[in-house]
Parts: sequence; structure tokens; C-alpha cells
Amino acid sequence: QVQLVESGGALVKTGESLRLSCAVSGFTFSDHYMAWIRQAPGKGLEWVSYTSNSGSTIYYADSVKGRFTISRDNARNSLFLHMNNLRADDSAVYFCARFAAPGTGGHLDVWGKGATVSVFS
Amino acid sequence: EIVMTQSPATLSVSPGDRAALSCRASQTVSSSLAWYQQKPGQAPRLLIYGASTRATGTPARFSGSGSGTEFTLTISSLQSEDFAVYYCQQYHHWPLLTFGGGTKVEIK
Repeated sequence: QVQLVESGGALVKTGESLRLSCAVSGFTFSDHYMAWIRQAPGKGLEWVSYTSNSGSTIYYADSVKGRFTISRDNARNSLFLHMNNLRADDSAVYFCARFAAPGTGGHLDVWGKGATVSVFS
Repeated sequence: EIVMTQSPATLSVSPGDRAALSCRASQTVSSSLAWYQQKPGQAPRLLIYGASTRATGTPARFSGSGSGTEFTLTISSLQSEDFAVYYCQQYHHWPLLTFGGGTKVEIK
């Protein structure tokens, strides 16, 4: 059964750091690009970052560039999002998601349930 | 920047009725368009990709159409479980990905 399980969400102060994890099972993790997408309370979906299957190609939304770092450990079937210098507008549910086609981007066919990050001042 | 505009923002429909949701791209995205359904408190679920291909498990009452800049998600006969928010997403301009703002389908 294909499954993505996020963890690490927390209530933190502005300027603090947090690391989200996504544990993957049920498919060959190293074959797929992976993404983090977030959703602020009552708002729509916003892609945050994604990584190629090897981790050699990475993209960030402008809103998080320089503050967030995506990484993956293919040996441990895990995806990470390191978030530094958090701001109030980073408060959101963060979803881990899989790009459907092996070895490329496109549409997202499997999503985790999400991890909640709340940033307060 | 590719802007995806969904309309209407809210669609009030009676169970059993047909619903048509629109997604417009600010420039062509060819057929590289996906639709997702999201229910409250849940993750989005892939419904349609390639503008018109149903994902595994998507009921046949859901259909996608369009190409270029104009796309439509049609639900032929709304069931109670279809009341949700629907998002479109373009992936033609990879590595840029863009979601639309969403259409909420509510019970009339």
C-alpha cells in the first residue's frame, strides 16, 4: 500500500527553525520526484519545493527560497523539509506528495495527510 | 508567471445535477493539466491528469476536457460525496507548477 506520512509539525515562534519529515512506503522511493505543498488556513494550495528522484535537482518557491531546504534519503525512504527563519505567513498544513511518473515531474498522484506548522510572534 | 484562474469560486448545486467547473490558464499549458478534489480536513486527491485522463479510482461521472488555456471539469450527476473543493494544476511549464485558487462545490 502506497503511503506517505508526515511528521514534525509544531507550534513555533517567528525566527525559529523546524524540520518536517515524510516517511514513504509501498513504492520505490528512489524512482520518484517528490514535493512539499502547503495550505494556509482557509486558503488554496501552494507548492513549496520539490526534488528530483536522485536529489540532484531542486526547486523552491520564491516565498521560501533561502530559508527552506528540501532533502531526501533514498536509503531510508524519507523526504525532509528544513525550515529556517520561520514567519507567521509560513503557518500552514504541509503536505508531502509524489509525482506520478517515475523520473520526472508533472501531476501528483499520492499525498500524505499533512503536518501542521503554526508560527506565532 | 503562469496564472491559473478557476471559476466560479463557489458553485451551488443540487444532488443529481450536473456541475461544470472552469479553469483558465494565462498562457497555453497544452494538455498538461490536472484536477484534484479536497474534502475538509483531508489531503487533495488526484482526479484527472493530462486534462482528460481519469486517475485510478476516479468515478466515470467525472470528466475533464479542454486544451491550451481553457479547461473544464464536469461532474455529470453530483453525489453527496462530491461536495468538496476542486483545484486545477498546470505542469506544462515545468519546473514551474501552478495551482488554481479552487472552486468549492456546495449543496444548494
